[in-house]
Amino acid sequence: NAGVTQTPKFRVLKTGQSMTLLCAQDMNHEYMYWYRQDPGMGLRLIHYSVGEGTTAKGEVPDGYNVSRLKKQNFLLGLESAAPSQTSVYFCASSSLPGQGSSYNSPLHFGNGTRLTVT
Amino acid sequence: DAKTTQPNSMESNEEEPVHLPCNHSTISGTDYIHWYRQLPSQGPEYVIHGLTSNVNNRMASLAIAEDRKSSTLILHRATLRDAAVYYCILRDYTGANSKLTFGKGITLSVRP
Repeated sequence: NAGVTQTPKFRVLKTGQSMTLLCAQDMNHEYMYWYRQDPGMGLRLIHYSVGEGTTAKGEVPDGYNVSRLKKQNFLLGLESAAPSQTSVYFCASSSLPGQGSSYNSPLHFGNGTRLTVT
Repeated sequence: DAKTTQPNSMESNEEEPVHLPCNHSTISGTDYIHWYRQLPSQGPEYVIHGLTSNVNNRMASLAIAEDRKSSTLILHRATLRDAAVYYCILRDYTGANSKLTFGKGITLSVRP
């Protein structure tokens, strides 16, 4: 049971280059999230998705695009990387929230992608 | 969006209990309280959640105020491995608000 898998684990880009970060989950979760983490800033939400084919903006969406073409995958794209996008990126997924005994929707996180933009 | 506030940091001695507070004064009736922790160089992991009643699991206990405007994560005997950043967040069980924001969390240091 792999859970949430992020690829790549590390990447160095030059300013202006593009790349795509892949998040894959094998738990049949509806909800998926992309966060970035910078020193002293905690986790900040970039984009999220509540189902296949849907995406929404989070707290810091500028400079990023996302796609959820398949339920199990959530892609984060950087079209023109900037040094300010140097960060650790975390993906998370969860099932639908519910109430009472049906409630079982904690977030499951990947191990992160460390991106450096020079 | 309902938000939470936590102290920036706390210190504890090994094998002593630790109480980590979280304020959520704008909590709604459909919000669950979740706690996550992040060990160094790892992704966050789920610790515990609750709605109204206090909760216990193998990792920790969650004490929820009667008015639900605050909660406390309790580690009964801190170990060095518990040194981490702990996040308190709110999650609407209806799914109406799916925009989950974490904030900076509270950094727990454990002294040997």
